[in-house]
Amino acid sequence: KQEVTQIPAALSVPEGENLVLNCSFTDSAIYNLQWFRQDPGKGLTSLLLIQSSQREQTSGRLNASLDKSSGRSTLYIAASQPGDSATYLCAVNWGTDKLIFGTGTRLQVFP
Amino acid sequence: DVKVTQSSRYLVKRTGEKVFLECVQDMDHENMFWYRQDPGLGLRLIYFSYDVKMKEKGDIPEGYSVSREKKERFSLILESASTNQTSMYLCASSPQRTPLYEQYFGPGTRLTVT
Repeated sequence: KQEVTQIPAALSVPEGENLVLNCSFTDSAIYNLQWFRQDPGKGLTSLLLIQSSQREQTSGRLNASLDKSSGRSTLYIAASQPGDSATYLCAVNWGTDKLIFGTGTRLQVFP
Repeated sequence: DVKVTQSSRYLVKRTGEKVFLECVQDMDHENMFWYRQDPGLGLRLIYFSYDVKMKEKGDIPEGYSVSREKKERFSLILESASTNQTSMYLCASSPQRTPLYEQYFGPGTRLTVT
């Protein structure tokens, strides 16, 4: 069964830290992987999309990497800020018309 | 920028009522999706559509139906609302059917059924 896992479920860090969020998937034959941010009570905002042929994507302080052979993606956030506090979800497409989502990591960055 | 809008942010309905949730996208996307999101269960796909008047069941279609009469609009219908349908409902769209490219989400509708 194709599954996506995100550990830990919650993370609390002081402002200014560099941090890594993890996403694992069971089948390495992915087509692409997408990272989203969700603020409480709101919809999802797309952060980064990595195609299977790519190793990483960057946007500002965010860097997402992909290692298909080990079934992992990481989202690196540099110099974290309180405004980064949100839930981060990863979602995988295995070449079909569906995304499979992880259950997310709830991040809190405190001043 | 892609914009996906949902007709209501919050809804409160009574058990047995028929409920309509509307979603509109403005980027001429082929695919549209309805998810529900519950604590501990993540996002689960209810229905999706890849063309006008076309629909496909997702993982949890029971108790729901959908309508896509125009390309930009995708409606989720709860035929007879029940308390276990209290949830956050999220609509999304995507430009290509298979394989799936980037999905864009609306702001969500928090539905409470009493």
